[in-house]
Amino acid sequence: AQKITQTQPGMFVQEKEAVTLDCTYDTSDPSYGLFWYKQPSSGEMIFLIYQGSYDQQNATEGRYSLNFQKARKSANLVISASQLGDSAMYFCAMREQSSASKIIFGSGTRLSIRP
Amino acid sequence: KAGVTQTPRYLIKTRGQQVTLSCSPISGHRSVSWYQQTPGQGLQFLFEYFSETQRNKGNFPGRFSGRQFSNSRSEMNVSTLELGDSALYLCASSLRDMGTDTQYFGPGTRLTVL
Repeated sequence: AQKITQTQPGMFVQEKEAVTLDCTYDTSDPSYGLFWYKQPSSGEMIFLIYQGSYDQQNATEGRYSLNFQKARKSANLVISASQLGDSAMYFCAMREQSSASKIIFGSGTRLSIRP
Repeated sequence: KAGVTQTPRYLIKTRGQQVTLSCSPISGHRSVSWYQQTPGQGLQFLFEYFSETQRNKGNFPGRFSGRQFSNSRSEMNVSTLELGDSALYLCASSLRDMGTDTQYFGPGTRLTVL
């Protein structure tokens, strides 16, 4: 069965430091997509980055990168040079490739950036 | 390109009433999914529609229903509201209903049931 685990309920990081948010997953499907979303206090879920299970390289989008370790079923989000605006909830999500499969989310990590 | 829009943004209802929420996907997107987010249960999948057909459904009672129109707009209906239905309801759209397709979310509708 699909499962996403985020073990860090909350994190505090100094501004301009790099931060890693942990995510592990479980699936029996060899083909799947992994996603990270940011949810500020306003409530909107903002898409950050995507990694496909067959992608050979780690995904990067600006200051965001995904540390994908397939054998360990790990998909950690790395934010470089954190900014005050990065303070938000961060969700890891997964969806199996087969059509009509539902996306599932982890419980989230609340990231707080200290000035 | 305009993003996903949801109306209304805020809603207050009383127990026993029914409510209809609306979602307009990104232009060209044919898949619409609905999620319920509460502090206790987190993000839970409600259902997904693709080309006007419900493709998948989460573990919610029959009071929760939805539909999708030919222009891909979707509505979600909750009948006989309960206090526990108070939540942020998020709609997301994607090109297709495949695992590699990114879902883009709307701002959500915050429903309060009194």
